[in-house]
Amino acid sequence: TQLLEQSPQFLSIQEGENLTVYCNSSSVFSSLQWYRQEPGEGPVLLVTVVTGGEVKKLKRLTFQFGDARKDSSLHITAAQPGDTGLYLCAGAREYGNKLVFGAGTILRVKS
Amino acid sequence: NAGVTQTPKFQVLKTGQSMTLQCAQDMNHNSMYWYRQDPGMGLRLIYYSASEGTTDKGEVPNGYNVSRLNKREFSLRLESAAPSQTSVYFCASRRVGLSTGELFFGEGSRLTVL
Repeated sequence: TQLLEQSPQFLSIQEGENLTVYCNSSSVFSSLQWYRQEPGEGPVLLVTVVTGGEVKKLKRLTFQFGDARKDSSLHITAAQPGDTGLYLCAGAREYGNKLVFGAGTILRVKS
Repeated sequence: NAGVTQTPKFQVLKTGQSMTLQCAQDMNHNSMYWYRQDPGMGLRLIYYSASEGTTDKGEVPNGYNVSRLNKREFSLRLESAAPSQTSVYFCASRRVGLSTGELFFGEGSRLTVL
């Protein structure tokens, strides 16, 4: 059982559509990170959220940390083919050195 | 601009063979990690090293051993490979003491055990 549950597992959409990816847990995290991974490469950090209720924007990507710090979401506006990839959320426990990853969401944006 | 370097990138083993995956980082990070990635499972932590001279088990340590050779290098050894260890292995590093710190990953080592 994954400590962090991501949904959906797969998402195939047309260019220009909006989408939201969810990352949920029953545990509280001191911070939560989102990574993006392309085929044949390692994951690359997109954002870190720390405060409950925090919202961060990165161009067309909006990240939110739940008020109770147990969940997070990633919203992409007007998706583009370049957004295609595997999106992973990762949570850190208080003072912990270990990051726990969700199973990931595979996003495919068709032109 | 090397960041985290892993070798080898690809390896095929027979059941029972042993091998070592090498990892080196040039960012002066204290913490280093080994993850494995399997379809539908995300990244699972095998072992990590919070600082030079220390190592700790992660979620899936069975069948693996690690060595933190110095601050730069962290190796992962499979003593007797099994087909269940077929996976993509990622080494990562980050600055110590920052629970919010970014993980920097290598490009991965793709291992097949026949």
